[in-house]
Amino acid sequence: EVRLVESGGGLVQPGRSLRLSCTTSGFIFGYHAINWFRQAPGKGLEWVGFIRSRAYGKTTEYAASVKGRFNISRDDSQNIAYLQMNSLTSEDTAVYFCSRVAGSGDHFDSCGRGTPVTVSS
Amino acid sequence: SYELTQPPSVSVSPGQTATVSCSGERLGNKYVSWYQQSPGQSPVLVIYQNAKRPSGIPERFSGSNSGNTATLTISGTQTVDEADYHCLAWDSTIVVFGGGTKLTVL
Repeated sequence: EVRLVESGGGLVQPGRSLRLSCTTSGFIFGYHAINWFRQAPGKGLEWVGFIRSRAYGKTTEYAASVKGRFNISRDDSQNIAYLQMNSLTSEDTAVYFCSRVAGSGDHFDSCGRGTPVTVSS
Repeated sequence: SYELTQPPSVSVSPGQTATVSCSGERLGNKYVSWYQQSPGQSPVLVIYQNAKRPSGIPERFSGSNSGNTATLTISGTQTVDEADYHCLAWDSTIVVFGGGTKLTVL
C-alpha cells in the first residue's frame, strides 16, 4: 500500500523557519518525483513545488509565491522528502500535503493527510 | 502566470449528470487531472491524462479536454459524490490548480 505521512507542522512566528517531512512506504521512492501542495483555511489547493527523482538529477521547481524561500530535498536512502520553509509569513498558513508524482510525470496519484502550519505571533 | 478557472459551485439532483468545467489558455494542449476532496479529507485522484480513470474510481466519472476547457462529468450523480473537485494542469516546470468547485447533490 502506498503511504505518505507528513509531519513537522505547527505554530511558528512570522519570519521564522520550519521543516516538514514526508515519510513514505509501499513504493520505490527513488523512482518517483515528490510534489508538495498546500491548502489555506477555506481555500483551494495551491501548488508549492516538486523534486524530481535521482534519474532526473533531483532537480526542483517552485511556485512563484515560495521561490527563494522554500527548498525541497529528498533522502532516497530513508524514503523521505523534506520541505524547508524560511521567512514564513501569515500567507503561508495552510495544511501542507506531500504527494507521489505518477511515473508519467503529469499528475500525482497519492498524497498524505497533510500537516497544518500556522504562522502567527 | 498560467491560471485555471473553475466555477465556485455546481448543483445537481441525484441521478442527474453533473459537469464541472476548468478553463485555461490552450488547456487542450496539456494533460489535466481531477481530484475529489471531501470535507476534512485529502484529495483523491478521479481522472488523469484528461480522460483516464484510476482503478477503483466508478465508471460514472469521465473527463474530456479540448480547446481551452477541460470537463469532468459525473453521470448518475450520487449523494456520495458531493465534494470539492479540483482540476490540475501539469507542465514540465509548473503545476497549476484550478480554484476548486463545490459540487452539491440535492
